[in-house]
Amino acid sequence: AQSVTQLGSHVSVSEGALVLLRCNYSSSVPPYLFWYVQYPNQGLQLLLKYTSAATLVKGINGFEAEFKKSETSFHLTKPSAHMSDAAEYFCAVNALTGGGNKLTFGTGTQLKVEL
Amino acid sequence: AAGVIQSPRHLIKEKRETATLKCYPIPRHDTVYWYQQGPGQDPQFLISFYEKMQSDKGSIPDRFSAQQFSDYHSELNMSSLELGDSALYFCASSLGRGDYGYTFGSGTRLTVV
Repeated sequence: AQSVTQLGSHVSVSEGALVLLRCNYSSSVPPYLFWYVQYPNQGLQLLLKYTSAATLVKGINGFEAEFKKSETSFHLTKPSAHMSDAAEYFCAVNALTGGGNKLTFGTGTQLKVEL
Repeated sequence: AAGVIQSPRHLIKEKRETATLKCYPIPRHDTVYWYQQGPGQDPQFLISFYEKMQSDKGSIPDRFSAQQFSDYHSELNMSSLELGDSALYFCASSLGRGDYGYTFGSGTRLTVV
């Protein structure tokens, strides 16, 4: 079965600093990987997705993620944090196995941006 | 662009009552997924439908049922509600298996009192 593990349930950075949110996946087949952002009391918004094309994926709001098969990782980064980036971030995987095509989410990382 | 529409946005029910949540996918999307997100939790997959047939089943209680209709909208029926059913219920839609991504609705917040 496919799964993702997000290291760090809470991450705090200063405004203007690098954002690094970690995600490692476990999958027996090449996965499709996603990052979603959730603002308080709102739905899930897609930031970016990896679907076996380029390993470096650029998303919205200046975020990007790099698929590293050797490390089974798909970490999310942003060069310079903004106050508006404060939210919960979820990594998700869809390995398109016999278990169907649902997304399986990680436990989420709450990003706090401080002045 | 049209998004995934969920109704109602908020719902308050008493224990043992029933609730029906509706989801209208993006036009031409043929697959619908339901997720439950408890307070401070990650979204948990409940059930999905492809072309009006159930395609996958997750941790959906037997008290819950769902279906996808001919116009591709979906309804999640919840009976004998329990306090623990209080959560945010998301619907998502995709074209086929989701190669182009999944679009989530804003969710229905169900509160059972």
